[in-house]
Amino acid sequence: AQSVAQPEDQVNVAEGNPLTVKCTYSVSGNPYLFWYVQYPNRGLQFLLKYITGDNLVKGSYGFEAEFNKSQTSFHLKKPSALVSDSALYFCAVRGLNSGYALNFGKGTSLLVTP
Amino acid sequence: KAGVTQTPRYLIKTRGQQVTLSCSPISGHRSVSWYQQTPGQGLQFLFEYFSETQRNKGNFPGRFSGRQFSNSRSEMNVSTLELGDSALYLCASSGGTQAYEQYFGPGTRLTVT
Repeated sequence: AQSVAQPEDQVNVAEGNPLTVKCTYSVSGNPYLFWYVQYPNRGLQFLLKYITGDNLVKGSYGFEAEFNKSQTSFHLKKPSALVSDSALYFCAVRGLNSGYALNFGKGTSLLVTP
Repeated sequence: KAGVTQTPRYLIKTRGQQVTLSCSPISGHRSVSWYQQTPGQGLQFLFEYFSETQRNKGNFPGRFSGRQFSNSRSEMNVSTLELGDSALYLCASSGGTQAYEQYFGPGTRLTVT
């Protein structure tokens, strides 16, 4: 089955420092990978996706992610964190069957301190 | 373009009752997916509808069902509610030129007492 794992429940970073939120994947075939962010009491917001092409994917709000096939990873990164980036981040992979359904990781809570 | 809307936003039901949640996708999107979010289980896929047909289904009991109408609006129904059904139910739509990207609504917070 297509799955992703987020090894960290929480990531703490100081404002202005680079941030990384980790994600590894396990798939059959080529992976379709996604990052979403959830703010308190809100639905999920799409950040970026990797389907094919360049391994470095740029997304919304200055976020980017690097697809690494040899390490089966898709880590989310941002060069300079903002306090407003504090939220819950989900990595996801498209399911094996046809359609757009996603399998999500358990989420990583990002806390950016001033 | 209006986003995904879900109604109601909050709901309190009693064990044994049934509930219907509604989702209106982004105009032009033909796919609607439903997810359940709980602190313990995280985000779990319930089912996906595309052009009024269920295309995918997650591992949930038959008490959970859904349907999609010709205008792509979707409803999900949970019968014989259990305490464990308390969750945030999220609807997401996909389609148009941004294939594979899912756009989520704000969710319906269901509390079962």
